[in-house]
Amino acid sequence: AQKVTQAQTEISVVEKEDVTLDCVYETRDTTYYLFWYKQPPSGELVFLIRRNSFDEQNEISGRYSWNFQKSTSSFNFTITASQVVDSAVYFCALRSNTDKLIFGTGTRLQVFP
Amino acid sequence: DTGVSQDPRHKITKRGQNVTFRCDPISEHNRLYWYRQTLGQGPEFLTYFQNEAQLEKSRLLSDRFSAERPKGSFSTLEIQRTEQGDSAMYLCASSPSGTHTGELFFGEGSRLTVL
Repeated sequence: AQKVTQAQTEISVVEKEDVTLDCVYETRDTTYYLFWYKQPPSGELVFLIRRNSFDEQNEISGRYSWNFQKSTSSFNFTITASQVVDSAVYFCALRSNTDKLIFGTGTRLQVFP
Repeated sequence: DTGVSQDPRHKITKRGQNVTFRCDPISEHNRLYWYRQTLGQGPEFLTYFQNEAQLEKSRLLSDRFSAERPKGSFSTLEIQRTEQGDSAMYLCASSPSGTHTGELFFGEGSRLTVL
């Protein structure tokens, strides 16, 4: 079975704090792809990153960074120096030998000024 | 290049009525997906098309639901005899064909409220 777990339902931080969103996945496939999407209040899911199962190198993009660890089946997302505009629901998703994305339940991030 | 567009953005209907949603994918994207999202949950897969062929349907898609993509371009999702449990955001997404690796591009969704 394939599954994505985001145990953190909601996180609140004050602006400029760092915050890490956790994602744990389950799959029996050796080839798979992991994604993070952002869903602002407008509702449209915005793609942030894709990582394949053969590339465990961490990635940094501006204030965003991702930590992929196959040993713990985790793909965590860190926002450094958070800003109010980062407030949204963030979804982790898995895609393996099927053509569909399987999403976690999401983490709502609220950044207060 | 425009993104994925969905219509209507909001629909309020009475239980038992039929509703239809339309999705226009990014041009030249051969794959088109429908997802459903309820409050506090992640999007759940409903069905997807490769051109005009419907390749997979979730067991979430009861026989009251039907999706079509007649010419391989836009798609419609119809819900017959709506129930209150159908209230949700219906999301459409598209992606280029020939790859299982790429991200899906989502529209802003169609929110359905069944009274």
